[in-house]
Amino acid sequence: DAGITQSPRHKVTETGTPVTLRCHQTENHRYMYWYRQDPGHGLRLIHYSYGVKDTDKGEVSDGYSVSRSKTEDFLLTLESATSSQTSVYFCAIRDRANTEAFFGQGTRLTVV
Amino acid sequence: DQQVKQNSPSLSVQEGRISILNCDYTNSMFDYFLWYKKYPAEGPTFLISISSIKDKNEDGRFTVFLNKSAKHLSLHIVPSQPGDSAVYFCAASDSGGGADGLTFGKGTHLIIQP
Repeated sequence: DAGITQSPRHKVTETGTPVTLRCHQTENHRYMYWYRQDPGHGLRLIHYSYGVKDTDKGEVSDGYSVSRSKTEDFLLTLESATSSQTSVYFCAIRDRANTEAFFGQGTRLTVV
Repeated sequence: DQQVKQNSPSLSVQEGRISILNCDYTNSMFDYFLWYKKYPAEGPTFLISISSIKDKNEDGRFTVFLNKSAKHLSLHIVPSQPGDSAVYFCAASDSGGGADGLTFGKGTHLIIQP
């Protein structure tokens, strides 16, 4: 299995609070991604990173920010959580284009 | 606007028979295609991929076919086994986009019946 760990695995938070999800990899892969999975929508890209301090927006980036200060860590922050951000969040890593991406186990986030 | 479409939300197949999962795409820049399998409460796991320079790739019981002119790919599982029951996602990427990541379909829930 690819060395990719997400934390926490489960979190319940209140509307309006900030939340940070962490993705940690031990594979030294260049590319890292955050996706969210919702019923009827499949997996949608939130943000991605192509190197330390190099990040860009994905399809559903509103309300989210990311940071990558080290190769191995990619953080996803919800500045002020809303109920629409209740979802399962997956981190993925990829070595280069035209290869497979490896996914973490996911974080189930509930905003009440 | 969905660039990767899986039009069958679910598919039921008898154990031992062939499962065929279909996927269509609209973005002609996509040149690398993948299938992922996902069990509940787990992350997606990579199954098989195909580059646009090929029209078929086989790995054990799994074969992916690509029809570029129709912008269509399919995953064949032969023979189907109970452990194949899962949600299958089709994904695509554009190598020219570099880090842009994979674009996923909404998934097909495959149910293998004994």
